[in-house]
Amino acid sequence: GAVVSQHPSWVICKSGTSVKIECRSLDFQATTMFWYRQFPKQSLMLMATSNEGSKATYEQGVEKDKFLINHASLTLSTLTVTSAHPEDSSFYICSSGAGRDTEAFFGQGTRLTVV
Amino acid sequence: LAKTTQPISMDSYEGQEVNITCSHNNIATNDYITWYQQFPSQGPRFIIQGYKTKVTNEVASLFIPADRKSSTLSLPRVSLSDTAVYYCLVGAPSGGYNKLIFGAGTRLAVHP
Repeated sequence: GAVVSQHPSWVICKSGTSVKIECRSLDFQATTMFWYRQFPKQSLMLMATSNEGSKATYEQGVEKDKFLINHASLTLSTLTVTSAHPEDSSFYICSSGAGRDTEAFFGQGTRLTVV
Repeated sequence: LAKTTQPISMDSYEGQEVNITCSHNNIATNDYITWYQQFPSQGPRFIIQGYKTKVTNEVASLFIPADRKSSTLSLPRVSLSDTAVYYCLVGAPSGGYNKLIFGAGTRLAVHP
């Protein structure tokens, strides 16, 4: 199946700093990618839809100025958590379609810990 | 997007067949039913998708009754490695291009 890769797999940062998470489609072009957040023992929560060449669409309750999304190419979308705080500690996951009409392909996720 | 309801958790033993049922009373005519599997600290992985009747692949079967208001994921002869969270989603078949709304999922624990 198609491959979606996230980097880094985990990151620890100090409170108040910014962290960038990359999501790459390795063997296909992704005009649309999705970003999810998952807290321990909870389900995935959709944060935003990332569109290549245009502004991201954020779900209700997600602060667009805090979670900056850039989708500058057909193979890369980035999520930047600005001025991170401990409550932003979570597991962040991206996904995309890959020319097939069945399934979504997910990255391996990024574990963010803000201390 | 149709809401889904699944059991929060299930327990099984190695070698047994596991059936996880999902309710989706408000499924739309064009909606498909898709199941994903998620291991701890990993992104979800597609298992199976169907529209009606029965679908089978190398890892699971999906049973969908005629009214399509529910579906059952069947895992034959589970092993310890099948311990994971299983999500039932209902929506357009082009899952990769549409936003997915995940429910709580079913946490399956397989015991020796």
